[in-house]
Amino acid sequence: ETGVTQTPRHLVMGMTNKKSLKCEQHLGHNAMYWYKQSAKKPLELMFVYNFKEQTENNSVPSRFSPECPNSSHLFLHLHTLQPEDSALYLCASSQVATGYAGNTIYFGEGSWLTVV
Amino acid sequence: AQSVTQPDIHITVSEGASLELRCNYSYGATPYLFWYVQSPGQGLQLLLKYFSGDTLVQGIKGFEAEFKRSQSSFNLRKPSVHWSDAAEYFCAAGGGNKLTFGTGTQLKVEL
Repeated sequence: ETGVTQTPRHLVMGMTNKKSLKCEQHLGHNAMYWYKQSAKKPLELMFVYNFKEQTENNSVPSRFSPECPNSSHLFLHLHTLQPEDSALYLCASSQVATGYAGNTIYFGEGSWLTVV
Repeated sequence: AQSVTQPDIHITVSEGASLELRCNYSYGATPYLFWYVQSPGQGLQLLLKYFSGDTLVQGIKGFEAEFKRSQSSFNLRKPSVHWSDAAEYFCAAGGGNKLTFGTGTQLKVEL
């Protein structure tokens, strides 16, 4: 399934590095999301973009910086991360960002991030 | 506030046996309900969804789920489990930026 594609699939970075995660969706959707999935914790919604505009930032530390240049692409820029930021980062998309019937979210395969 | 509860953290079944994963929701109105599956090291794949109409919903990979309003439940079932079904299963309610996930049920399949 190639509806939502994430790169890289695995990333190891030092605490002083700067790296980016990339997401691309081929579903014609207008909303894109970043989720964080840590071991033993529920899925955490980080950011929401609707028609390229950020509509939600769920108290995410500024060392995570999202960018949405168009409705098909979403980036997560990473800098000066901490070891506790190691997790699976999931990108997702849906038709629009509101919670109405039919607004199904589709996920990418995820990017495994390890901060050393 | 809406919430989704998956009471079983781990379930083990034998290959070929039937499966039922439980999901209960708390929602202000009739919710939009989903089941996702996550294989090790992978993202979440949509198995099925319920919005309205027939309360028995068919999904991919031979899964089905039944919406029971009186019990606030949306349990996932499969008549005969295959070893490849071993994964984590997430129930969710809502939609878009209001999607609430349960904590997941880890399914182990014994050969």
